[in-house]
Formats: sequence, C-alpha cells, structure tokens
Amino acid sequence: DGGITQSPKYLFRKEGQNVTLSCEQNLNHDAMYWYRQDPGQGLRLIYYSQIVNDFQKGDIAEGYSVSREKKESFPLTVTSAQKNPTAFYLCASSIDRQGKTEQFFGPGTRLTVL
Amino acid sequence: GDSVTQMEGPVTLSEEAFLTINCTYTATGYPSLFWYVQYPGEGLQLLLKATKADDKGSNKGFEATYRKETTSFHLEKGSVQVSDSAVYFCALTIYNFNKFYFGSGTKLNVKP
Repeated sequence: DGGITQSPKYLFRKEGQNVTLSCEQNLNHDAMYWYRQDPGQGLRLIYYSQIVNDFQKGDIAEGYSVSREKKESFPLTVTSAQKNPTAFYLCASSIDRQGKTEQFFGPGTRLTVL
Repeated sequence: GDSVTQMEGPVTLSEEAFLTINCTYTATGYPSLFWYVQYPGEGLQLLLKATKADDKGSNKGFEATYRKETTSFHLEKGSVQVSDSAVYFCALTIYNFNKFYFGSGTKLNVKP
C-alpha cells in the first residue's frame, strides 16, 4: 500500500538533546512538508522541499533542520535550540511541485521533551 | 496575504442534525480549496476539494461549494453521525506558490 510513514509514533527526549523524526513516502511525490501542531491549534509549516537536495524554510523554522537526500525521505531534526519542542509533528507530501494538488499526511509523531 | 478563517468550535450536535462549518478565505491568486478531517491522535485525511469557482466537492455525505463571489467554502452535511466527531480543517493552496494555508480547525462533537 502506498502512503506516508512516520516513526516513531511517540518520542520522549530529555531537554537539550537533539532528536530526529523520520518521514518516508512511497507515493513517488516530489514535494514534502513538515508541520507542527500544538493542542487545539492549526498547523504551522516548519520546512518544505520541492525536489531532492533542495528545501525551504517555512513559518517556524528556527530550531529545526531537515535534509532531502532521497526523494522518498525527509527527516526532521529538532535541535536543542528549539525552545518549546513538545508538540505533534506531521509530515505530508504532494504529487506536484507547484502545490496545486492535495497534500497527503502521515500519522504523526508526538514528541514530548521532559 | 493568503489566509483561511473558519468558525471556532467546538460545535456540538445531536445525531442526524444538519452540519455547517463556515470557511472564508483571502487569496492573491486563484486558489484550490480543501477540507481535511483529523481524528484524535492521527494525521489529516483529505475529505473533499474544489479547484475552481462554482465547483462542488463531495465525499461521505459532506459537501462544499467554491464560492468566489463570497470567498467561501462552507462544509455541510445533512445528517451527522457520532462517527463524524473529529476536527475539521479548511485549507487553500495557490498555484505555483507550493504552500498550503490551513485554518485553525473546528472540533465537531456529535452526541447519540
């Protein structure tokens, strides 16, 4: 089955540690995205990538980093510079680089920093 | 700038009641419009979409019409079920900008 996988579903880390969230898609989509969702809130864009080896900052990129070495993978690193990293993180992809078609979402990773 | 505004929740309805969730947008270009649904602890699922003015998107009894004159894309369902309880997000994307804009979400609670 085609889709987007995120792992792990729940992640706990100590304050000051970097942590990497995995996102893999087998939909052959060009564009991939990372969003952050806080309780009762909408989605805020962290980073997006339209093509391999290229990515752009979204609205809240500070304290986060990404890479896009393969078309199917777009990992997100939450660094110690992110002041309030506890949140629900969603990865998405879309088939075309222009953003005209819908986004497909993964199941999310809930990160809790202790 | 481009943005989406949707009605605040929560919206609480009895089973079989009529549902409307309002969504209005501001866009500098010609947007495509979407409704997504999110069940607790899960990612977002596309519910329906419309890509040009006067298009009607529909799925699972839900429908929404792209109204350019009122810049709206209201979600409706004639008879809600308990299983429709979720958070609903309105969203838009502008061709060639490769960014999506999401509303803040509306939580729907349906009581038996």
